Amino acid sequence: GENVEQHPSTLSVQEGDSAVIKCTYSDSASNYFPWYKQELGKRPQLIIDIRSNVGEKKDQRIAVTLNKTAKHFSLHITETQPEDSAVYFCAASSGSGGSNYKLTFGKGTLLTVNP
Amino acid sequence: NAGVTQTPKFQVLKTGQSMTLQCAQDMNHNSMYWYRQDPGMGLRLIYYSASEGTTDKGEVPNGYNVSRLNKREFSLRLESAAPSQTSVYFCASRAGSAYNEQFFGPGTRLTVL
Repeated sequence: GENVEQHPSTLSVQEGDSAVIKCTYSDSASNYFPWYKQELGKRPQLIIDIRSNVGEKKDQRIAVTLNKTAKHFSLHITETQPEDSAVYFCAASSGSGGSNYKLTFGKGTLLTVNP
Repeated sequence: NAGVTQTPKFQVLKTGQSMTLQCAQDMNHNSMYWYRQDPGMGLRLIYYSASEGTTDKGEVPNGYNVSRLNKREFSLRLESAAPSQTSVYFCASRAGSAYNEQFFGPGTRLTVL
């Protein structure tokens, strides 16, 4: 099955700095890579995603890059703010078609943005 | 739209007791999922239902059973709870294609003594 590795497990940055979180995946058939943000005590929520036919996607201060050859993808947050502090999860979607898709998640990165 | 709802929010069980976690979604999604979240372990898939009438094991199915009651509802049952099942349980749903967003419920915090 799919295996997703995520690094680092914790990341501390100063407000205004950039943060980068990296993930690798094992299944070359995976074709969808979402990122979720989970604030303390809350549910995970999608912040950005990328499909396998795209190399980069941006949404304001966040961007995701995908390297299919190397099987890795990264989340970039620029101009970090204290409200960006949360746990971030990467995931990869694999399945045999139709509705039979499931996400495999990385173990998460605790991002702390210091004022 | 309520999205994905779960009951109960909190539960304390004694070892050996049984219980069912309930999940419902009102987004007409085909696929539903149960995850458990433990510190440092991320979100691990317990069982999923790709469509009404089907269920499949995920990464950590031992000690659990599921029922896809209808398109809206997907329940998770612990027949004989063990302390190792102390965790936060999240239900999720997704429309039936490769690229659709997966929506999570608010979670159930379960403690097994």
